[in-house]
Amino acid sequence: EDQVTQSPEALRLQEGESSSLNCSYTVSGLRGLFWYRQDPGKGPEFLFTLYSAGEEKEKERLKATLTKKESFLHITAPKPEDSATYLCAVQAASGTYKYIFGTGTRLKVLA
Amino acid sequence: GAVVSQHPSWVICKSGTSVKIECRSLDFQATTMFWYRQFPKQSLMLMATSNEGSKATYEQGVEKDKFLINHASLTLSTLTVTSAHPEDSSFYICSATVRGRSTDTQYFGPGTRLTVL
Repeated sequence: EDQVTQSPEALRLQEGESSSLNCSYTVSGLRGLFWYRQDPGKGPEFLFTLYSAGEEKEKERLKATLTKKESFLHITAPKPEDSATYLCAVQAASGTYKYIFGTGTRLKVLA
Repeated sequence: GAVVSQHPSWVICKSGTSVKIECRSLDFQATTMFWYRQFPKQSLMLMATSNEGSKATYEQGVEKDKFLINHASLTLSTLTVTSAHPEDSSFYICSATVRGRSTDTQYFGPGTRLTVL
């Protein structure tokens, strides 16, 4: 069964304290892995798409990497405005367009 | 680019009434849109896949007669919650798909907060 697991469930960092969020997945053929940021009371905001193992993408303080079993979202020198829930999703190569979402990591960056 | 809007952003209604939520892709055409429901501190729960010009595909456990979906054009999908009850109170989010070379990226609307009294 296709599955996505995110860890940790919640993370508190001091401003400037770098860390990584994990997204482990089991899918019968990966079409794409997606990272989103969601602020409270808002819809998810698209961050990255990763297609194949070894791929990396960066945006400001965020860097996403992908292996055959997991993806990491690295946050370098985070700021309080990076506080949000980060969602990971995969799209399987099974013919449908649905995403399988993880339960998210709630990040809180303290000033 | 890839902006998705939802209307209304919040709605309060009485039990037994119907509520319509609109989802629009503003700067692109989307043959496929999705409707999700989200409970506090939980992830997104897919309700249905909406395809332009055809019937929606509902996930297991979602009542299609209660949650009516119409995808009338390439830029508009609507979700109607019929005979709403307090247990239907939730945060409803739509997404619209941009087809890529090898995958499809979903762009999400800002969500609609439904409160049924």
